[in-house]
Amino acid sequence: NAGVTQTPKFQVLKTGQSMTLQCAQDMNHNSMYWYRQDPGMGLRLIYYSASEGTTDKGEVPNGYNVSRLNKREFSLRLESAAPSQTSVYFCASTEVGRNTIYFGEGSWLTVV
Amino acid sequence: AQSVTQLDSQVPVFEEAPVELRCNYSSSVSVYLFWYVQYPNQGLQLLLKYLSGSTLVKGINGFEAEFNKSQTSFHLRKPSVHISDTAEYFCAVSPQGGSEKLVFGKGTKLTVNP
Repeated sequence: NAGVTQTPKFQVLKTGQSMTLQCAQDMNHNSMYWYRQDPGMGLRLIYYSASEGTTDKGEVPNGYNVSRLNKREFSLRLESAAPSQTSVYFCASTEVGRNTIYFGEGSWLTVV
Repeated sequence: AQSVTQLDSQVPVFEEAPVELRCNYSSSVSVYLFWYVQYPNQGLQLLLKYLSGSTLVKGINGFEAEFNKSQTSFHLRKPSVHISDTAEYFCAVSPQGGSEKLVFGKGTKLTVNP
């Protein structure tokens, strides 16, 4: 039961470096999400994809880009990392109309 | 737009005591409501959800929540907590009939002490 798989689990970046967080789900879900979690802030939506080939901005999209490569995969890219992007990132997916979102285990990113 | 307020950032309780974690929401449209639990260094797991029907919703691990439309609340309760319930709990809302984009509260850290 893989569910939602994120890689890498931990990453340290220097300011200005770029990286991509990978996410894949094996539940044949149409909708996928990227959230970031910061202490005392809850989870905030970065980007959302309702289906393959479509993406939409969430609450905090600045500094990020996404690609919905196919139905299974949804990647998040930091083009030029900043210390403010130090956070825990969660990928999630759901089937439209099912109202239950499944989360990955998180990716801990530190930008120094 | 929707918003969620979790009224307590931290709730310490003793083992076997009852607990209530409070959640209020704001929305101009009808909503679905959710509680998620996050154990240390893990992702979020759905505890329970309210979509329609009975306002008292039962979830996993003995938790329940009551939807109160007039007070725009969805408080989470458990009559007797265990050490293993120590975790962070998130209330979330999404608009009915719209996308499943969840808006989360800031979380309540429940600490159960022996």
